[in-house]
Amino acid sequence: KNEVEQSPQNLTAQEGEFITINCSYSVGISALHWLQQHPGGGIVSLFMLSSGKKKHGRLIATINIQEKHSSLHITASHPRDSAVYICAVRTIQGAQKLVFGQGTRLTINP
Amino acid sequence: SQTIHQWPATLVQPVGSPLSLECTVEGTSNPNLYWYRQAAGRGLQLLFYSVGIGQISSEVPQNLSASRPQDRQFILSSKKLLLSDSGFYLCAWVSGRSYGYTFGSGTRLTVV
Repeated sequence: KNEVEQSPQNLTAQEGEFITINCSYSVGISALHWLQQHPGGGIVSLFMLSSGKKKHGRLIATINIQEKHSSLHITASHPRDSAVYICAVRTIQGAQKLVFGQGTRLTINP
Repeated sequence: SQTIHQWPATLVQPVGSPLSLECTVEGTSNPNLYWYRQAAGRGLQLLFYSVGIGQISSEVPQNLSASRPQDRQFILSSKKLLLSDSGFYLCAWVSGRSYGYTFGSGTRLTVV
């Protein structure tokens, strides 16, 4: 079993829909990251969370440390949101290493 | 400002040839540096990390090696590439103060 599990693996929705991507992890963490990877491969960090909730524009990320679960929400989704969204946890062991989920491929149709 | 440079962006190399990918960071000192790889259809996996000059830790046994000759320079190398070395390679760094993670733009390596 992977230490970081994401669901769903693939998600297709219509423009304007509310999107939720889930992430569960089984290791002790110091922080959780949500990343966005576009077709060219480049990765952008969207959020870093250690507790609670963060919001940036139409994106909202939440984390429940007790349940070892995080969600990424996109409100009023748009075709430009189409990308792979990756959950990654920073382990509490030394050196701030990241353990990645497999990613969720999101496609928003106009 | 803090930036990270990674090159080349794409690379096609024959089996058995050597490899050198370079990553440099600006605007910080003594960062933790990382090399990650994403094989086709798979998630990102940590290959190497470094917490200081000359200090390299390897996460998985493989055909690759890493070096950190200067504080802000991290190099990924291979003496003889294998087909299985194909993938997308990402350099990243963490600032000790902010703990933010910054990724390079990546190198797509195809071994033929």
